[in-house]
Formats: sequence, C-alpha cells, structure tokens
Amino acid sequence: GDSVTQTEGLVTLTEGLPVMLNCTYQSTYSPFLFWYVQHLNEAPKLLLKSFTDNKRPEHQGFHATLHKSSSSFHLQKSSAQLSDSALYYCALSGNYNVLYFGSGTKLTVEP
Amino acid sequence: ETAVFQTPNYHVTQVGNEVSFNCKQTLGHDTMYWYKQDSKKLLKIMFSYNNKQLIVNETVPRRFSPQSSDKAHLNLRIKSVEPEDSAVYLCASSAGGALDTQYFGPGTRLLVL
Repeated sequence: GDSVTQTEGLVTLTEGLPVMLNCTYQSTYSPFLFWYVQHLNEAPKLLLKSFTDNKRPEHQGFHATLHKSSSSFHLQKSSAQLSDSALYYCALSGNYNVLYFGSGTKLTVEP
Repeated sequence: ETAVFQTPNYHVTQVGNEVSFNCKQTLGHDTMYWYKQDSKKLLKIMFSYNNKQLIVNETVPRRFSPQSSDKAHLNLRIKSVEPEDSAVYLCASSAGGALDTQYFGPGTRLLVL
C-alpha cells in the first residue's frame, strides 16, 4: 500500500541555518506529493505540492523536488526563520485522492 | 468568509458515551474528509465523502459512523467511546482531484476519561 516515511521526529536549528526535512514514499504508481505545515494550535495547511512536470514548487522560501528515482520529496529552505517553527507533514495522494501522511517532523528554530 | 468550520472545539466525555461532531465547509467543494490526529501527532485518514456519498472507509471501528446531509456538511458520530478515541478529529474539504489542496478545519479535541 501507499506510505510516507519521515525519518526525523524532531529537528532543532539556529535561525539563519539551512533547513532540510526528509521525506520518502512507497507507492505502486506515481503519486502526487505534498508538504503540509501545522503551527501550534492551528489546522494543517498546504505549504507546497509536486507538479505534474519537472517544475520545482516553492512557497515562503521553502522548496521541494520530487525525485521519482529515489522516491523522495525532501523539503528545503536556505535560511530558517523563527516563524518556521512548526510541525511539518509530508503526504501523498492515494486512492480516491485521500492523503496519506508521514509521521511528521517538529521543527524548532532557535535564536 | 469561506473556510472549514468544526463544532465543538473541545469535548470531554466518559467511556461508553456517544458523541457527535459537526463539520461545515463554505468553499463549494464536493469532497470532504475526516482525519484523526492522535496524541503522537500521527495524522490518519478515516473517511472520505464525495457529494454525500461515502467513498473511503479506512478500516475504522464500527462505532464510528459518518453522515452527510449535503456536500457542505459532514458529521461524525462515535457510538460508545473508548479511551483510545481521545484525539483531535480534523475535517477537511477539497475539489476532489489528486492534486487539489485539502483545506482543514481547526479540529475537535476529544478527551475520553
């Protein structure tokens, strides 16, 4: 079945350093991949999603590249900000277009 | 305002009781979902509805029963709650396509004592 793996449960960074959150997936087809972000006491909301072509999605300084050869969709940002502290979920669109989420990575950015 | 609304925000109950949660979306979407976010923040699909019809039931215990009166409303009833049902229940909606964004409500936090 479809599944998503996020290996880091907790990531702590100093402000200004680069961010990379890992995401790999398993699927019998070529799914669409998403990153959702959930700030404390808020609802999850879309950060970015993979395109059907080879474009690299970007939003709020974050970007991710879908690599079908390695089944990965890692999230990156060149310089972390304090406001980036949140829970980040990688997800894929499965049968009937429901989302299958990874276990989430809690990112904490410190001054 | 167009969004996904959920009531109640928070509910405390005892084992064996029945609870109901409501969800309404004003985004004009055809597809709505229930997800469960447990204490470890694992987020898992429970049900998906398209235009009032149940599309997906992800092996959820039979004490959970969703209900949709129209495509803008999706409710969730739990007949006899158990301690492991303590979680945040998130409602979402989308246009239904594989690449369509899912918009989440603020969630209903359930605590079963």
